[in-house]
Amino acid sequence: GESVGLHLPTLSVQEGDNSIINCAYSNSASDYFIWYKQESGKGPQFIIDIRSNMDKRQGQRVTVLLNKTVKHLSLQIAATQPGDSAVYFCAENSYYGGATNKLIFGTGTLLAVQP
Amino acid sequence: DGGITQSPKYLFRKEGQNVTLSCEQNLNHDAMYWYRQDPGQGLRLIYYSQIVNDFQKGDIAEGYSVSREKKESFPLTVTSAQKNPTAFYLCASSYSQETQYFGPGTRLLVL
Repeated sequence: GESVGLHLPTLSVQEGDNSIINCAYSNSASDYFIWYKQESGKGPQFIIDIRSNMDKRQGQRVTVLLNKTVKHLSLQIAATQPGDSAVYFCAENSYYGGATNKLIFGTGTLLAVQP
Repeated sequence: DGGITQSPKYLFRKEGQNVTLSCEQNLNHDAMYWYRQDPGQGLRLIYYSQIVNDFQKGDIAEGYSVSREKKESFPLTVTSAQKNPTAFYLCASSYSQETQYFGPGTRLLVL
């Protein structure tokens, strides 16, 4: 989910379990959504994206679900591993200033994988 | 080896000093962006550039300046007018209407 202030919401899971990270987005006109993974002290890494004409998209061990009715996005990680520990951001893609896309980021969720 | 590079990894600024953060990409992307990240917060857009010799202010441009003289390069200057510069700065690039790819970041600290 989204956070306010300095404290990120944290999801703690056991190694091998499935993880579900949720995100609410703001603009019903947004047509493209992205999940990023950010490890401590590093730049965000692209994980998976989905366009608004889809409800579900699968990658390797990850699935993104989009519910446009309630403006909700989720990231599912199967068989979570210690290397999955990071902050996960969702981003919605809005357009302004011609062809340039503007990403609006959530504040992120910290995924902590317990061995 | 394609990607986005940022330098330096750590940068220290003295009171009243301007400092410049480097961002280079060899992905042939048209658009480049600068974001600021503060602890526990989402990324905030400082400046963006759609094309060489053109750039636009983002949401928090005050106290910052940029240039885009080459497609590959988009340096950010943190001026003395930026009173709270301590943050993690991220550069990104994209094709128009495509996913933004991020560099490794520069952490700016004030002495």
